[in-house]
Amino acid sequence: ELKVEQNPLFLSMQEGKNYTIYCNYSTTSDRLYWYRQDPGKSLESLFVLLSNGAVKQEGRLMASLDTKARLSTLHITAAVHDLSATYFCAVDAGSGTYKYIFGTGTRLKVLA
Amino acid sequence: DSGVTQTPKHLITATGQRVTLRCSPRSGDLSVYWYQQSLDQGLQFLIQYYNGEERAKGNILERFSAQQFPDLHSELNLSSLELGDSALYFCASSPRQMNTEAFFGQGTRLTVV
Repeated sequence: ELKVEQNPLFLSMQEGKNYTIYCNYSTTSDRLYWYRQDPGKSLESLFVLLSNGAVKQEGRLMASLDTKARLSTLHITAAVHDLSATYFCAVDAGSGTYKYIFGTGTRLKVLA
Repeated sequence: DSGVTQTPKHLITATGQRVTLRCSPRSGDLSVYWYQQSLDQGLQFLIQYYNGEERAKGNILERFSAQQFPDLHSELNLSSLELGDSALYFCASSPRQMNTEAFFGQGTRLTVV
């Protein structure tokens, strides 16, 4: 059974600082997605990573995928308060089902 | 707006009752997924349908069932409701045979009292 773990679970950081969120998964997959969720709201797609070594950047967020290590990272550069949210990674379970298994989520709070 | 529509947005019901949650996927999407999000369990995959057929099952209770209709909308039926079923239920859809993310609806917040 595919398991997806994120760390840290909670992250409180000062504005202007950098930090990385890690997403580890247990079985082979070359498709990984990052989502953002604001409290009580839906999930918003951030990045789609479809191959080993894929790197995507949008604003202060950069995501990468290492399929050999079964690891994805979401790097935050010079955090701002608007980035406060919960971030989820999701791994495609494959076998043609396009079943997305979500990580535990990382609750990010950026302090002014 | 993701293009995925869920109704109702909020639902309050009593223990032992049955409810139906509805989802309309994005135009052209053949796959529909249901997820349950609760504080202690995170985002749990329940079930997936593809073009009317069940394709994958996750941690879905026997009291829960779902179906996808010919027009591709989907319904999640929850019966014999318990307090612990209170959660946010999300529907998501994705296109056929494409390496793309799933697009999520706004969710239905179910409160069982």
